[in-house]
Amino acid sequence: NAGVTQTPKFRVLKTGQSMTLLCAQDMNHEYMYWYRQDPGMGLRLIHYSVGEGTTAKGEVPDGYNVSRLKKQNFLLGLESAAPSQTSVYFCASSNGLAGGQETQYFGPGTRLLVL
Amino acid sequence: RKEVEQDPGPFNVPEGATVAFNCTYSNSASQSFFWYRQDCRKEPKLLMSVYSSGNEDGRFTAQLNRASQYISLLIRDSKLSDSATYLCVATGYSTLTFGKGTMLLVSP
Repeated sequence: NAGVTQTPKFRVLKTGQSMTLLCAQDMNHEYMYWYRQDPGMGLRLIHYSVGEGTTAKGEVPDGYNVSRLKKQNFLLGLESAAPSQTSVYFCASSNGLAGGQETQYFGPGTRLLVL
Repeated sequence: RKEVEQDPGPFNVPEGATVAFNCTYSNSASQSFFWYRQDCRKEPKLLMSVYSSGNEDGRFTAQLNRASQYISLLIRDSKLSDSATYLCVATGYSTLTFGKGTMLLVSP
C-alpha cells in the first residue's frame, strides 16, 4: 500500500513550456486535491475533485487545469508555465465519507522550478 | 482576514519543555479540526484530530473552544524529534483550510 504517490519529484521548466503532474492513490479514496506551498503563504488549494469525472476550482486555480478520468489518478496541468508557478506541489486524498471534512493524506510533493 | 491564523514562530524550546500553540479560525460553520505536522521539505502528516471535549495522545493534547473559535496544541516533555512546523486545520465545504503553520525548534 503506497498511499499517495506523485510524479515527477522534481522538474525544471522554461517559461511557456507545458507539463503534467501525476498523482495516484491506492486507498480507493473519492476525494483528491492539488495544493501549492510557497514560503510564507502556507498551503493553497488549486483544484479538487469529489469523484471520478468531477473537478472544482480551489483558491488559486488560474493557470492550471486538472482531470480525474480514473478514480485513482488526479492530473494537474500547466499549459504555459510562468515563473510565478515555481512552487512545491502537493497532492492529497481523502475518503470523502464526511463530505471532505475528514483527514487528508498527502503525497511527497513535486518541486517545480520555472525559469 | 485569513480563515485560519497561527503565530509563525519560531518557538525555540529546550528538550523537556512544555510548549503550547494556539490558532484561530474565522468560519463558524467549520465542523472538524486537525493538527498536522510538516517536517522540512516533506509532506504534511496528520498529528491528531481535535474534538470538542479535548483529546490527548501521549505527550500531545489538543483543545477546541468553539465559542472563541480557537484551537490549541500542547506538547509536554518536548523531544528533539518534535522539531517541525505544526499546521492548524479547519474544515470548509468539501475542503480543508490550512493555517500557515507554527515552527517549533527543540534544542538539546
